[in-house]
Amino acid sequence: DTAVSQTPKYLVTQMGNDKSIKCEQNLGHDTMYWYKQDSKKFLKIMFSYNNKELIINETVPNRFSPKSPDKAHLNLHINSLELGDSAVYFCASSPIEVWPGPPGGELFFGEGSRLTVL
Amino acid sequence: TQLLEQSPQFLSIQEGENLTVYCNSSSVFSSLQWYRQEPGEGPVLLVTVVTGGEVKKLKRLTFQFGDARKDSSLHITAAQPGDTGLYLCAGERVSNYQLIWGAGTKLIIKP
Repeated sequence: DTAVSQTPKYLVTQMGNDKSIKCEQNLGHDTMYWYKQDSKKFLKIMFSYNNKELIINETVPNRFSPKSPDKAHLNLHINSLELGDSAVYFCASSPIEVWPGPPGGELFFGEGSRLTVL
Repeated sequence: TQLLEQSPQFLSIQEGENLTVYCNSSSVFSSLQWYRQEPGEGPVLLVTVVTGGEVKKLKRLTFQFGDARKDSSLHITAAQPGDTGLYLCAGERVSNYQLIWGAGTKLIIKP
């Protein structure tokens, strides 16, 4: 059973379109994240949710909107896609119960969703 | 901005050689994590170091946290092709435990 699963794994779309990426974790974790990994492999945090509440919202354009219907799911919707949005998007979860939690919390990552905007 | 500088960015060596990857910062971290990422997959945690001066070993991999908890190193002894991958370090901010990521070291071990 995959611990953190993302769909779709690959997404190719035209500029200006709207798309969503879904994430589900079966680890029973209370905290979930969205990361963006660019072509240089740099990981940048976008959002973090703790018990369905938005905790971290880095300087991400308003076109990106996360949604957490329950603790096991964190989806990412992107409006009006731009060329610069092309990247691999990773969902992750951690066992932090109450934010910010104790130090040393491990992140469990999904396999990533490669988004290509043409 | 709290930065975590990772070096080298790229390393290609022959099987059997030793290597060291470094993560350096001017800031103190409450812990430092090392992850390994293979193509088409997400990063997977290798180790977490928490105490200044701490050394942890994972088979041929040795991880060290600096005494001042500002830097860390990963040493691989007798590298094997299976060690090939992207190695990422991530430091945990003292103030809020948010992770600060290094830019990664792409390691290729040639048979």
